[in-house]
Amino acid sequence: EPEVTQTPSHQVTQMGQEVILRCVPISNHLYFYWYRQILGQKVEFLVSFYNNEISEKSEIFDDQFSVERPDGSNFTLKIRSTKLEDSAMYFCASSDRDRDNSPLHFGNGTRLTVT
Amino acid sequence: DQQVKQNSPSLSVQEGRISILNCDYTNSMFDYFLWYKKYPAEGPTFLISISSIKDKNEDGRFTVFLNKSAKHLSLHIVPSQPGDSAVYFCAASGISGANNLFFGTGTRLTVIP
Repeated sequence: EPEVTQTPSHQVTQMGQEVILRCVPISNHLYFYWYRQILGQKVEFLVSFYNNEISEKSEIFDDQFSVERPDGSNFTLKIRSTKLEDSAMYFCASSDRDRDNSPLHFGNGTRLTVT
Repeated sequence: DQQVKQNSPSLSVQEGRISILNCDYTNSMFDYFLWYKKYPAEGPTFLISISSIKDKNEDGRFTVFLNKSAKHLSLHIVPSQPGDSAVYFCAASGISGANNLFFGTGTRLTVIP
């Protein structure tokens, strides 16, 4: 079964540094998402992306965050200047919206640790 | 933001018995509900969903019930198997029409052999 893949599985960075989290969504999917889960908290929506532009974003997704689909397969999340509170599991997801309410398929996540 | 609540952080069930996981929501604009299962070091895996036009959806051992008037849904697993041991997340969407999911905090299910 096709799956969403994320790299790296674990990223450690110093506060103030830029990080790029990478995702390869399922190939025929059209909608892409980033969610995050701070340890012990809920999985939270960050951003959705369709047709090469952001379709929706949450309050969490401030100017420090950006997303890009640089080619036909990758979908990236960039955090420009990381803060300690950005430490979390970041999940990429994709869905096929050709049918109504297609469920999201999640990757295994990237654990980001900001020191 | 507590729009989706799972009030039981954990549940233990004997193998072969029924597991019932509960979820409550506050926003009446939600019209699509999902259950995800999550193993350690993996992402959430889609399990089953239900649209607000239905009150029950069944898929093998898994059944989701929706009570719109009570803003409550539940996931029934029967019979429960040890491999079902995982964290189960309830999620809801529909406010914006997009797939912006609101997740509950999860219930850790342990199925005892």
